[in-house]
Amino acid sequence: ETGVTQTPRHLVMGMTNKKSLKCEQHLGHNAMYWYKQSAKKPLELMFVYSLEERVENNSVPSRFSPECPNSSHLFLHLHTLQPEDSALYLCASSQDRQAGNEQFFGPGTRLTVL
Amino acid sequence: RKEVEQDPGPFNVPEGATVAFNCTYSNSASQSFFWYRQDCRKEPKLLMSVYSSGNEDGRFTAQLNRASQYISLLIRDSKLSDSATYLCVVMTPGAGSYQLTFGKGTKLSVIP
Repeated sequence: ETGVTQTPRHLVMGMTNKKSLKCEQHLGHNAMYWYKQSAKKPLELMFVYSLEERVENNSVPSRFSPECPNSSHLFLHLHTLQPEDSALYLCASSQDRQAGNEQFFGPGTRLTVL
Repeated sequence: RKEVEQDPGPFNVPEGATVAFNCTYSNSASQSFFWYRQDCRKEPKLLMSVYSSGNEDGRFTAQLNRASQYISLLIRDSKLSDSATYLCVVMTPGAGSYQLTFGKGTKLSVIP
């Protein structure tokens, strides 16, 4: 079983709501990631944290706000989202950001914005 | 040119068939290569890394051609359980770290 858990698994929200996605890894990894997977598109990297410090933000709109309080937990805070933000949001972790390191994915949160 | 390009399929093959997937990447500085598998409505999971000399894991063989910037995955003796989407993943060095880029995936359906 995956050592990366995500909650909630499904979320439906209106455009004016504020919600948060949670990710927890039990693998002792130092790097964590948020990805977005939309239908018929490749996985898009959104944010990268290494040792709790954000090292990459791939031009993600400010309505997505990540938080990494410690090396085991990662949050994605959502506010005033758009219907086109509906997608599967995947969290992943890896030992560190060195080449060749496998990324372990959580089961994802399937988000629908109405 | 897309960074990582794959034939989306679907590939519909009978049990026992051999099937090959191809992937091309645009950045010649890319250093590490992987095949991930994603089952329907599930998360991606690492299938195998791809090494320069080619590597095999049971029924699965991965090849890398750096000159052509091309990666392949061969599945022999297909099983029903092989039905999934296969993602080609390329890791490229950036400013002080590495960037993973995913292809859209190739969908495989193995038919009884």
